[in-house]
Amino acid sequence: QQQVKQSPQSLIVQKGGISIINCAYENTAFDYFPWYQQFPGKGPALLIAIRPDVSEKKEGRFTISFNKSAKQFSLHIMDSQPGDSATYFCAASTRSGSARQLTFGSGTQLTVLP
Amino acid sequence: DTAVSQTPKYLVTQMGNDKSIKCEQNLGHDTMYWYKQDSKKFLKIMFSYNNKELIINETVPNRFSPKSPDKAHLNLHINSLELGDSAVYFCASSQSGNTIYFGEGSWLTVV
Repeated sequence: QQQVKQSPQSLIVQKGGISIINCAYENTAFDYFPWYQQFPGKGPALLIAIRPDVSEKKEGRFTISFNKSAKQFSLHIMDSQPGDSATYFCAASTRSGSARQLTFGSGTQLTVLP
Repeated sequence: DTAVSQTPKYLVTQMGNDKSIKCEQNLGHDTMYWYKQDSKKFLKIMFSYNNKELIINETVPNRFSPKSPDKAHLNLHINSLELGDSAVYFCASSQSGNTIYFGEGSWLTVV
């Protein structure tokens, strides 16, 4: 059972365009929603994260929009650059004691054309 | 200066062998994790340790055994390797349930 559904699987945008990746979750116990960026041969790196009591969070060109009632959240990358080409993972998280248990989406391969 | 380092980065081994992947974090974090990324890039948690105590143990074959000698180290031992174990294994760490930092991964190929 896939608890976090991510779309699209792949995305191609022109330089300067807006990239939008969507995720939906089922478990209302999730209390933290990070986005990770992964370059080939590297580990996932935290890009931006949001908690469910906030509807939007912006950091530079990256914005998370969160809709708690719809159980959906999305990543917007403004002014997309070729250097943004990577795989993006949404995740939803619960706490297990002092640990965070991340449930990842299936990933989106973003290609930004120069 | 690598925050979460794991060795080896690449490992090619034959079916039936036993192998280990080592992980160390120098962030002073109290919690460490092992994640598995399959050929379709799907990431899934395997284990989590807090101060040497097992916290999260997902449905993983018991051929996989994590060992934490101290809170800065979490090693992964895999016995009787199978073809399906081929994947990228990521070590990660966090402090008190906050941001999780990943290592660069260990590419395991079983032939």
